[in-house]
Amino acid sequence: DIQMTQSPSSLSASVGDRVTITCRASQTINTYLNWYQQKPGKAPKLLIYGASTLQSDVPSRFSGSGSGTDFTLTINSLQPEDFATYYCQESYSIPTFGQGTKLEIK
Amino acid sequence: EVQLVESGGGLVQPGGSLRLSCAASGFTVSSNYMSWVRQAPGKGLEWVSVTYSDGRTYYGDSVKGRFTVSRHNSKNTMYLEMNSLRPEDTAVYYCARTLPRGSSYGMDVWGQGTSVTVSS
Repeated sequence: DIQMTQSPSSLSASVGDRVTITCRASQTINTYLNWYQQKPGKAPKLLIYGASTLQSDVPSRFSGSGSGTDFTLTINSLQPEDFATYYCQESYSIPTFGQGTKLEIK
Repeated sequence: EVQLVESGGGLVQPGGSLRLSCAASGFTVSSNYMSWVRQAPGKGLEWVSVTYSDGRTYYGDSVKGRFTVSRHNSKNTMYLEMNSLRPEDTAVYYCARTLPRGSSYGMDVWGQGTSVTVSS
């Protein structure tokens, strides 16, 4: 099975900062990589699919990149509503989620 | 409006059974890929199953042989039949519409979740 490793597991940042979350797959997954945002008590929300395609209605400050085994989610100019937990998910084989990155306000 | 609504969660004893429902509006369940994803209390997301539009269903190893997905087309609803439940099945269960392969099977529409607790 493919393992997905996200880093960091938690991150403190301020409004206006630029943050990057990384996700590494244990084997190549081409660009079968999706990113989700989850707020407490809510369902996850799809942000990016195919490693870099922004889902409709997602602000352009979110971007994704990578292929093969290494991927990044970047959030430019953090807004208050961006503080949440972020998950990567591979869909190359059996869908597997990363362990999550909790983004907190500094 | 495109929407998913789960129901059927609750408290069940170990070894018991439960059936969750996922009712869709604004799109047709049988024409789309659909997934179940769960989240144990305080934990991350775990994929449970995916059902393709042709009816093929695949399950995660932790539920294979115990959980079964079905669809009721006229009700535009998907079900998750859970048998031989274990305490480790305790979680919030989400259903999600899943995009096709060309969109990396991203899960773009989610229900609000329904909570399942397995405990004596």
